[in-house]
Amino acid sequence: AQSVTQLGSHVSVSEGALVLLRCNYSSSVPPYLFWYVQYPNQGLQLLLKYTSAATLVKGINGFEAEFKKSETSFHLTKPSAHMSDAAEYFCAVSGGGGADGLTFGKGTHLIIQP
Amino acid sequence: DTAVSQTPKYLVTQMGNDKSIKCEQNLGHDTMYWYKQDSKKFLKIMFSYNNKELIINETVPNRFSPKSPDKAHLNLHINSLELGDSAVYFCASSQGIRYNEQFFGPGTRLTVL
Repeated sequence: AQSVTQLGSHVSVSEGALVLLRCNYSSSVPPYLFWYVQYPNQGLQLLLKYTSAATLVKGINGFEAEFKKSETSFHLTKPSAHMSDAAEYFCAVSGGGGADGLTFGKGTHLIIQP
Repeated sequence: DTAVSQTPKYLVTQMGNDKSIKCEQNLGHDTMYWYKQDSKKFLKIMFSYNNKELIINETVPNRFSPKSPDKAHLNLHINSLELGDSAVYFCASSQGIRYNEQFFGPGTRLTVL
């Protein structure tokens, strides 16, 4: 069984500041981890994914995430927030059998203050 | 070109009605999924199909019946709609049955009155 915990349902940062969105996972098998972004009234767009290659993963829009097995974490960061980053962010894990559905965290709403 | 498309985008209906949501993907993927996103934005897998074969059927009432006429389509039919079915339903697709990134459609917002 897998699970994902996202700490902080809402995160507020100033424009230009560091963005840090936290994700911890639990998986009985080596996990594949994903970050998705959802803009208002839209579907989910993949930001980046970890698939057991490099532990530091770079994604779109300047985001990156680091897989830390010892901490069972996959936190998402961006050095400098932009107003357009305001959205809902979901961490997800895939790692069970069969045609895996993703197990999602509850999401973090990122607010960018001018 | 839209990779994963869903129709309709909005669906408003009365309790007890039967409705369908259609999903199509033009990515050539062989696996498709349905997710439900509730009012608190929590996303949960409902079904997955691989090569038209049902693989995952989570704890979903049997009023929900997916149908996959071919690898590019996965439709969701809902019988006897209830208030609690109000949600956003997302279709997704991926290549292969394990570990691959999933591409999501724009969602269908279902409102049951």
